[in-house]
Amino acid sequence: DQQVKQNSPSLSVQEGRISILNCDYTNSMFDYFLWYKKYPAEGPTFLISISSIKDKNEDGRFTVFLNKSAKHLSLHIVPSQPGDSAVYFCAASATGNQFYFGTGTSLTVIP
Amino acid sequence: GAVVSQHPSRVICKSGTSVKIECRSLDFQATTMFWYRQFPKQSLMLMATSNEGSKATYEQGVEKDKFLINHASLTLSTLTVTSAHPEDSSFYICSAPIGGVLEKLFFGSGTQLSVL
Repeated sequence: DQQVKQNSPSLSVQEGRISILNCDYTNSMFDYFLWYKKYPAEGPTFLISISSIKDKNEDGRFTVFLNKSAKHLSLHIVPSQPGDSAVYFCAASATGNQFYFGTGTSLTVIP
Repeated sequence: GAVVSQHPSRVICKSGTSVKIECRSLDFQATTMFWYRQFPKQSLMLMATSNEGSKATYEQGVEKDKFLINHASLTLSTLTVTSAHPEDSSFYICSAPIGGVLEKLFFGSGTQLSVL
């Protein structure tokens, strides 16, 4: 049972524009969410996180929004850069328990 | 630089053989490491939690006798796929939390296992 879903397997965005990556979850007990970025032949690297007590967390060009009532989170990258091209995974956990990962969204930023 | 080193990155083996994958934490001690498996177009699935000095904790449906985990030191965890079969072909990846902060996992680069 997929508790974390990323329904868009791929996304293409023009350089300088905003990239919006979406993630939905089903478990209302999840209270911590993360986004990871993965380049080919490398392991995922931590990008940004948000806890359920917040609805927004910003770090430079990256902002994560959390809508608890909709069980939805999104990652906004603005402005998008070619170096942002990678696979992005969202992950969720209930405090102290394992993380559940989405299937990933492959972002391509077109120069 | 990489904080978690995983080897090998790719292995091809014959059915029935055993394959060992190593995961090392660099410049930090990891009392806990996680092992995941990812099939094509599917998400990373946690297989087991490796605990230094004690037995690993396996997720439901993961055969502990098939996927042997050893965490003999604070910097090394190994996953051995015993008597590998073609259905074990997958991408295996380890991770470790720095400073015990589970929210910030650092991943190895993964191992692509192909069993012929």
